[in-house]
Amino acid sequence: KQEVTQIPAALSVPEGENLVLNCSFTDSAIYNLQWFRQDPGKGLTSLLLIQSSQREQTSGRLNASLDKSSGRSTLYIAASQPGDSATYLCAVRMDSSYKLIFGSGTRLLVRP
Amino acid sequence: DTGVSQDPRHKITKRGQNVTFRCDPISEHNRLYWYRQTLGQGPEFLTYFQNEAQLEKSRLLSDRFSAERPKGSFSTLEIQRTEQGDSAMYLCASSSTGFNEKLFFGSGTQLSVL
Repeated sequence: KQEVTQIPAALSVPEGENLVLNCSFTDSAIYNLQWFRQDPGKGLTSLLLIQSSQREQTSGRLNASLDKSSGRSTLYIAASQPGDSATYLCAVRMDSSYKLIFGSGTRLLVRP
Repeated sequence: DTGVSQDPRHKITKRGQNVTFRCDPISEHNRLYWYRQTLGQGPEFLTYFQNEAQLEKSRLLSDRFSAERPKGSFSTLEIQRTEQGDSAMYLCASSSTGFNEKLFFGSGTQLSVL
């Protein structure tokens, strides 16, 4: 059974810092991995999608990497801003299913 | 394009009552998903539709839960005989065809069962 874990559960940093969020999964037979952002009381916004054959994806200040064989992904946020404060969730899709399996998220606070 | 729309935003009900939620996906998306999220946790998959066909259903979905997507457009999720453990945020998402398409989520329906 696939399990997705995110570390740390919460993170507080001063504005301007570069930071890394971690995601690990137990079954490497994934089809893709997505990173989402969720603001309090709201739905999820897809940030980056990495196919299983890819190593990384970039969008603006965000860079996500994938090491499928070791069951790990990282989300790198450069020059963090207070507006980046939110919960960040990673989710994997397995080869044989359309469902996403989510981690519990990392709650990020960027202090001005 | 107004994104994925869910109604109502909040629902308070008494234990034992039936509730129904509606989801309107992005118009050109033929895939629709329902997820449930409790505080501090990531969303849990409930069910998946491609057009009007329900192709995948979680074991979490007990007999009290049913979902429909008539004509492959909007979808409804009904919970019968609600229990306090059903209290959660119910999220709908849609995507277009293609196995690596991003999901677009609605803002969710927050259910509170008293």
